[in-house]
Amino acid sequence: GAVVSQHPSRVICKSGTSVKIECRSLDFQATTMFWYRQFPKQSLMLMATSNEGSKATYEQGVEKDKFLINHASLTLSTLTVTSAHPEDSSFYICSASRPATYEQYFGPGTRLTVT
Amino acid sequence: AQTVTQSQPEMSVQEAETVTLSCTYDTSESDYYLFWYKQPPSRQMILVIRQEAYKQQNATENRFSVNFQKAAKSFSLKISDSQLGDAAMYFCAYRSAYNNDMRFGAGTRLTVKP
Repeated sequence: GAVVSQHPSRVICKSGTSVKIECRSLDFQATTMFWYRQFPKQSLMLMATSNEGSKATYEQGVEKDKFLINHASLTLSTLTVTSAHPEDSSFYICSASRPATYEQYFGPGTRLTVT
Repeated sequence: AQTVTQSQPEMSVQEAETVTLSCTYDTSESDYYLFWYKQPPSRQMILVIRQEAYKQQNATENRFSVNFQKAAKSFSLKISDSQLGDAAMYFCAYRSAYNNDMRFGAGTRLTVKP
């Protein structure tokens, strides 16, 4: 149990366009989901935390108008990168946690390339 | 804010030998959780082992064990009988018991030599 999927696994988009990444908890209800960004050969940096039915909490320095997060159901959170630019190219990873637990279960990640 | 430090960017071990990866953290909280994650080339984060701060006993999972020194804020990972499949990036992580924040160290790249 505790499987998290992400779609798409890879996406290439043109500069100025928007791209949506989905994160789903397949076999459990996730009250909280997390979005991370990982640059090559670097660690995971938390971008935002989202709770089902409420607004996401963004980390300092993360533009909330650029990285739109929606957590509309207990099994789905989406990250939309708006007006993408080449510097947004990165590996984006989501994770999810069950209610009243401390573990996070990670998705396989999405590689975004903005040309 | 909590910080996690992994002072070894790269480590190497001979197959079947033992290797220890270091991790220290800084926090003023009394209750928290510590993790070691493995990230192979596929980049899927895999939980290796977890430790609750309130437990004095060191966690063990088969060939993986930790040396948790709460007073020293140290949380090292020992891999025994290293296997080729253990080669990966290893991240130490801290999670507060009071909120959802999880902070990762910079990572240690482990190479296993046949």
